[in-house]
Amino acid sequence: DQQVKQNSPSLSVQEGRISILNCDYTNSMFDYFLWYKKYPAEGPTFLISISSIKDKNEDGRFTVFLNKSAKHLSLHIVPSQPGDSAVYFCAVTASTGKLIFGQGTTLQVKP
Amino acid sequence: DGGITQSPKYLFRKEGQNVTLSCEQNLNHDAMYWYRQDPGQGLRLIYYSQIVNDFQKGDIAEGYSVSREKKESFPLTVTSAQKNPTAFYLCASSYGDSWWTEAFFGQGTRLTVV
Repeated sequence: DQQVKQNSPSLSVQEGRISILNCDYTNSMFDYFLWYKKYPAEGPTFLISISSIKDKNEDGRFTVFLNKSAKHLSLHIVPSQPGDSAVYFCAVTASTGKLIFGQGTTLQVKP
Repeated sequence: DGGITQSPKYLFRKEGQNVTLSCEQNLNHDAMYWYRQDPGQGLRLIYYSQIVNDFQKGDIAEGYSVSREKKESFPLTVTSAQKNPTAFYLCASSYGDSWWTEAFFGQGTRLTVV
């Protein structure tokens, strides 16, 4: 039973528009949430994170929103650029330190 | 430069053979992880270790074994008992006593069974 779900396998947006990637989790014990970006044949790189005491964290073009009651987080990229094209994974963790990933969403930003 | 290194980048194994994937980090991280990536499956946790000489099974540990004799090293052995070992394997590390921080990943090892 998957504890972290990214229900959209792929997303295509036009350059300059907003990209919204979504992630749902099942366990309310999770209290730290991360987004990673991955290019083919490479390891994921950390993008942005948020703890459960906040509902928004912003870093440049990237903003993560957390809705604890809905057990949902999202990543907004504004404006989207072609170099943002990659697979995006959300990940969750709790005090055990075990990091659990979603299935990933492939983002394509068209010029 | 600090980082996490996986070797080799590509590995071929004959059916029935054990093979060991290397993971080394010089970030002074306590926690280390092994994940497997298959198409459409995301990253699935195989094993993780939060301190030296201790490790826990992840979601898909069957057919794999690990050791954590040194803080810097967390090798993964894919045994002949693993039914479908062909995959992309990723090692990661993080500060074990600060679980609210990001994990850093190696570049991955692509294992192919021939």
